[in-house]
Amino acid sequence: AQSVTQLDSQVPVFEEAPVELRCNYSSSVSVYLFWYVQYPNQGLQLLLKYLSGSTLVESINGFEAEFNKSQTSFHLRKPSVHISDTAEYFCAVSAGNTPLVFGKGTRLSVIA
Amino acid sequence: DTGVSQNPRHKITKRGQNVTFRCDPISEHNRLYWYRQTLGQGPEFLTYFQNEAQLEKSRLLSDRFSAERPKGSFSTLEIQRTEQGDSAMYLCASSLDFKDYGYTFGSGTRLTVV
Repeated sequence: AQSVTQLDSQVPVFEEAPVELRCNYSSSVSVYLFWYVQYPNQGLQLLLKYLSGSTLVESINGFEAEFNKSQTSFHLRKPSVHISDTAEYFCAVSAGNTPLVFGKGTRLSVIA
Repeated sequence: DTGVSQNPRHKITKRGQNVTFRCDPISEHNRLYWYRQTLGQGPEFLTYFQNEAQLEKSRLLSDRFSAERPKGSFSTLEIQRTEQGDSAMYLCASSLDFKDYGYTFGSGTRLTVV
């Protein structure tokens, strides 16, 4: 079975500062990794995903995540955050044909 | 493409009553998932369907919970004899076959059991 640990439940950061949201996973088989974002009063939206190939994946709004197999990590980063990035971020893992397993989430609060 | 639709958005019920939620997935998506999310937690998997077949149920899903997906289209999730611990956001998601790992989520149904 797979599991996901999001090490920080809350991350406050000033606007235009960089941010890293940490995610570690556990699995005995190869995995696919995802980050979802949930804005206030909205549903979960896919931010980015790693299936295979390049270990660095990017989203259209400036986030990136790097798959590190040796560290079993998939940390999410952004070099300069905006107020509009305030949301809850969930890391998720799947071992191929299995339903996604989510972490508990990290609440990112961007401070003006 | 109208996205994944869930109804109702909110449901308040008395303990012991039965409730039913509906999910309409994206029309060409053959996989449909139900998750539950409580405050401060990530979504927890409940069950999923490929077309009309229910392929997996979580051990979290007690026998008071039942889900159906007749004809492989919309799905319903029923909770019988609701308990206060059932209060949560119930999320539905759909996806194309296993090659497509991006789920599209609905906005959820918030259940409050009083």
